This record gives sequence, C-alpha cells and structure tokens, in this order.
Amino acid sequence: GESVGLHLPTLSVQEGDNSIINCAYSNSASDYFIWYKQESGKGPQFIIDIRSNMDKRQGQRVTVLLNKTVKHLSLQIAATQPGDSAVYFCAEILNFGNEKLTFGTGTRLTIIP
Amino acid sequence: NAGVTQTPKFRILKIGQSMTLQCTQDMNHNYMYWYRQDPGMGLKLIYYSVGAGITDKGEVPNGYNVSRSTTEDFPLRLELAAPSQTSVYFCASRTSNGGEAFFGQGTRLTVV
Repeated sequence: GESVGLHLPTLSVQEGDNSIINCAYSNSASDYFIWYKQESGKGPQFIIDIRSNMDKRQGQRVTVLLNKTVKHLSLQIAATQPGDSAVYFCAEILNFGNEKLTFGTGTRLTIIP
Repeated sequence: NAGVTQTPKFRILKIGQSMTLQCTQDMNHNYMYWYRQDPGMGLKLIYYSVGAGITDKGEVPNGYNVSRSTTEDFPLRLELAAPSQTSVYFCASRTSNGGEAFFGQGTRLTVV
C-alpha cells in the first residue's frame, strides 16, 4: 500500500547553516505533498506544500523539492535558527477526491547554537 | 476563529472504560481527520471524513468509532479502552483539495 517514509530520524545542524530533510514516498500517483513542523507538546503546523505537477516551491526560508522520478521529497531550510528545532513530517494525499492524508515517520531537527 | 478545538486535553481511563474525544472546527472545512501519535513516533491516521455523513477508515481504525453528523463536529469514540490506546490524539480539518490541514492541540489519553 502507499506509504511515506523518511531517510534520517535525527539531524543536527549548526545555527545559520542550511538544513535538508528528506522523505521517500512509495506511490508514484500521489497528488499532493505537505511538510509539517511539530514542536514539543503541540500539534503539527503547516510549513509548505507542493502538488505533483510541480518540481519546486519556495516559501520564506523554506524550499520543497519534488523528484517524481525517484519518488523523493525534500525540505530545505535556509539560515537555520534555534526556533527551527522541532520534528518535521512529510505527509501525502494519494489523490484529490479520496483526501486520505497520511504522514511519514518524522525527522527530529536540532539546531546547535 | 477558534480553529480546531479538542476536548478534553488530558484523560486517564481504566481498562474497559469508554469515552468520546470531541473535535469541533469553525472553518467550515469539509475534511476532518483523527490521528494518534505514540511517544517519539509519527502520526497514524485512525479515521477521516470528507463530509457530513461520510466516514472512512484510516491506517489504524481498530478499537475506535467515529461519526460525522455535522460539518463542524467529528467525535472519536473508544468503546473498550486498552493500554495500547495510550497515546496523544490529534484532530485536524482541511478545506478543498490542496488545502493545508489545521490541527487541534491534542488530547493526551492514558489507559491504566
């Protein structure tokens, strides 16, 4: 069945450096991908999304890249700050109309001051 | 706007007891979801709904039931609580296709 997973469970990055969080998905027909940030004790918060007809999308300090050939998704965070320390999840909707939203395992990002 | 509101925030249940986790949203979203998150783990989809009167199973539906009688409310029912249901439960809602999901603050449930 479809699944979304992550390569690295933990990642430590020096403050000010860029970070890249990776995600692999198994279903090449997936329509929509989302990155969420979850801080301790809180619910997930939306960061950025991308539709399957796009390769790249940029937000404020964040960029999501989608490589459909190898079914890989990445989140790039530029100039990391202490407030970026959190767990990051990629999530997937297989197809619009079905709307089943499933999450990957998550990567814990720690920013080193 | 209050967004997505979950009640209660914390609850301790004894094995075999039942309870309903409440979730309500005031954004007129069609799509609603229930997830559970075990410590140090990701979110697992329990049930979801694409509109009033329509519900569907997610990845881990066993031991749970849902209903969606209105657009605003999506309660999650545990009939016979088991220790394996100790978790943090999150409710979320989304608008039309392509919309981000908004999450509640979670309900921390312990079954002893």
